[in-house]
Amino acid sequence: GAVVSQHPSRVICKSGTSVKIECRSLDFQATTMFWYRQFPKQSLMLMATSNEGSKATYEQGVEKDKFLINHASLTLSTLTVTSAHPEDSSFYICSARPWFGDNEQFFGPGTRLTVL
Amino acid sequence: GNSVTQMEGPVTLSEEAFLTINCTYTATGYPSLFWYVQYPGEGLQLLLKATKADDKGSNKGFEATYRKETTSFHLEKGSVQVSDSAVYFCALWVPPGGTSYGKLTFGQGTILTVHP
Repeated sequence: GAVVSQHPSRVICKSGTSVKIECRSLDFQATTMFWYRQFPKQSLMLMATSNEGSKATYEQGVEKDKFLINHASLTLSTLTVTSAHPEDSSFYICSARPWFGDNEQFFGPGTRLTVL
Repeated sequence: GNSVTQMEGPVTLSEEAFLTINCTYTATGYPSLFWYVQYPGEGLQLLLKATKADDKGSNKGFEATYRKETTSFHLEKGSVQVSDSAVYFCALWVPPGGTSYGKLTFGQGTILTVHP
């Protein structure tokens, strides 16, 4: 149990286009989902925290108009990278925290975004 | 604020060697401590955790003991295998309060390569 999926796993897009990444909790309801960004050989940087039905809370330095987060249901959160540029190329990872349990987060497999 | 410092890598070992990856932390309150593992091209998987001082987390031959007096949570394994090659992240979590939102704070990650 406690599986989190992300779609797509890889995406290549042209500069200026928008890309949507989905994060789903497959067998549990997640009160909170987190979006991270990981640069090559570096740690995870928390971008934002989203709670179902409310606006996401963005970390300092993360542009909310650039990275749109929608937590539409207890099993789905989406991250949209708007007007993507090559510097947005990165590995994006989501995690989900169930409403039950001891606050453990379960991580998705990540999405590799390449902007040409 | 909260922070996690890991020993710098990369770490390269021969199969069956002893592994130690150091991790120290700074936190307010009473954090829970975690080790996550990330295999190439994948998201993070929880390896082990400890929620209070002197707890020992263990899984797949890996162990780490929560040492409050030294604010440490070093990861150890007595005999590593080639399949243990991955990136290892130490992390802490402090219960939600104020603006913390119960976020995970990650160390910078340590790359482990095990040769046959």
